[in-house]
Amino acid sequence: QQQVKQSPQSLIVQKGGISIINCAYENTAFDYFPWYQQFPGKGPALLIAIRPDVSEKKEGRFTISFNKSAKQFSLHIMDSQPGDSATYFCAASMEGETSGSRLTFGEGTQLTVNP
Amino acid sequence: DTAVSQTPKYLVTQMGNDKSIKCEQNLGHDTMYWYKQDSKKFLKIMFSYNNKELIINETVPNRFSPKSPDKAHLNLHINSLELGDSAVYFCASSQDIGTSQETQYFGPGTRLLVL
Repeated sequence: QQQVKQSPQSLIVQKGGISIINCAYENTAFDYFPWYQQFPGKGPALLIAIRPDVSEKKEGRFTISFNKSAKQFSLHIMDSQPGDSATYFCAASMEGETSGSRLTFGEGTQLTVNP
Repeated sequence: DTAVSQTPKYLVTQMGNDKSIKCEQNLGHDTMYWYKQDSKKFLKIMFSYNNKELIINETVPNRFSPKSPDKAHLNLHINSLELGDSAVYFCASSQDIGTSQETQYFGPGTRLLVL
């Protein structure tokens, strides 16, 4: 059972264009939604994150849009650059009785930005 | 300074062998994790430890046994390796802040190939 569904699986964008990656979740107990960026041969790294009490969060060229009623959130990369080419993972976590956070990842999106 | 380090980076071995992967973090974090990334890049949590105590143990075969000698180290021992164990294994760590918003810092990964 995949609790966080991500699309598209791959995305090709021209330099300067907008990249949009979408995610949908099922569990309404999720209360934190980070996006991780992974370059080839490297581990994932936190890019940007949002809580469900806000509808949008922007950091530089990266914006998360969040729709709580639809249980969907998306990552927008403005003015996409070749250096943004990587795999992007949405994720979700919830507070629980145990220590540490349990991240549930989406399937990942391979983004290629052509020069 | 490497925050989360793993050894070895590559591991090629025969079916049936036993192998270990080591992980160390110098961030002073309380919680450490093991993730498996399959050939389709899907990331799934395997285990997490908080201050040397096992917190999360997902449905993982008993052949996988994590060991945490201290809170800066979390090793993964795999017995009787199978072809399906071939994957990239990531170690991660986070500071226990008591909420779901902990940022997880990933290591560079260990690429395991079972022949």
